[in-house]
Amino acid sequence: AQSVAQPEDQVNVAEGNPLTVKCTYSVSGNPYLFWYVQYPNRGLQFLLKYITGDNLVKGSYGFEAEFNKSQTSFHLKKPSALVSDSALYFCAVRVNTNAGKSTFGDGTTLTVKP
Amino acid sequence: DTAVSQTPKYLVTQMGNDKSIKCEQNLGHDTMYWYKQDSKKFLKIMFSYNNKELIINETVPNRFSPKSPDKAHLNLHINSLELGDSAVYFCASSLGGQFTDTQYFGPGTRLTVL
Repeated sequence: AQSVAQPEDQVNVAEGNPLTVKCTYSVSGNPYLFWYVQYPNRGLQFLLKYITGDNLVKGSYGFEAEFNKSQTSFHLKKPSALVSDSALYFCAVRVNTNAGKSTFGDGTTLTVKP
Repeated sequence: DTAVSQTPKYLVTQMGNDKSIKCEQNLGHDTMYWYKQDSKKFLKIMFSYNNKELIINETVPNRFSPKSPDKAHLNLHINSLELGDSAVYFCASSLGGQFTDTQYFGPGTRLTVL
C-alpha cells in the first residue's frame, strides 16, 4: 500500500523567511511525487512534481522540492515566504501500479505573517 | 475559459434525496477523477475514468454512481443522501492514465445534507 505523511498540520513563518513543508512517503516501487496548493474555497492547483532525474525540482511561484530517496522525503521549500503563500498544501504520491491512484497527505496549513 | 468546471458550486439538500454533480473539462484530457474532501480537509479519491472506462473504484458506498457520457464529462450521482455525505467534492482531469500526469482540479461542489 502507498501512503503519504505530512507530519505538521500547521506551519507558521514570517514574511521574508524561508519556509519548509515536510512530506514523507511509503511505496512499493518508484514514486512519482507531487505538490498541490489549495487556497480558501478553491480547487487544488499544481505546484511541482518529481518524476525522475534531478532530485531538486523547481515549480510555480518560486517553490522547489527535493526528492530524497534514502529518507523517502519530498519536502517543499521556498527561500523567501510571501503573505500570499498562505494556503493549504498537499503532497501526493503515485506509483506505476495500482492503476496510478494518487494518495494525498492530510495537508499542511501554511500561514505567513507580515 | 475554465479548464475543469463543476456544477453546482453549492448543493444543500435533505437526507434521503438523490442528487447529481456535473463535471466537464475542456483540456482534451482522457482521464477524469472524483475526490471527496471532508470537513478536516482530508482528500480521498473516489473514482477514476479513462476514456469513459472505470479504472479506479475506491471503497465508496454503492449509493455513489459515476457516469461518463464522453471523455470530457464525468458526473456523480448520489442516491439516498446521508448526513455523512456532506463534504466538498472535487472533479479533476489528467492528460492520460500515466502515473506522471499532473491532475487539474475543478473548483469543487460543497454538498450539505440536512
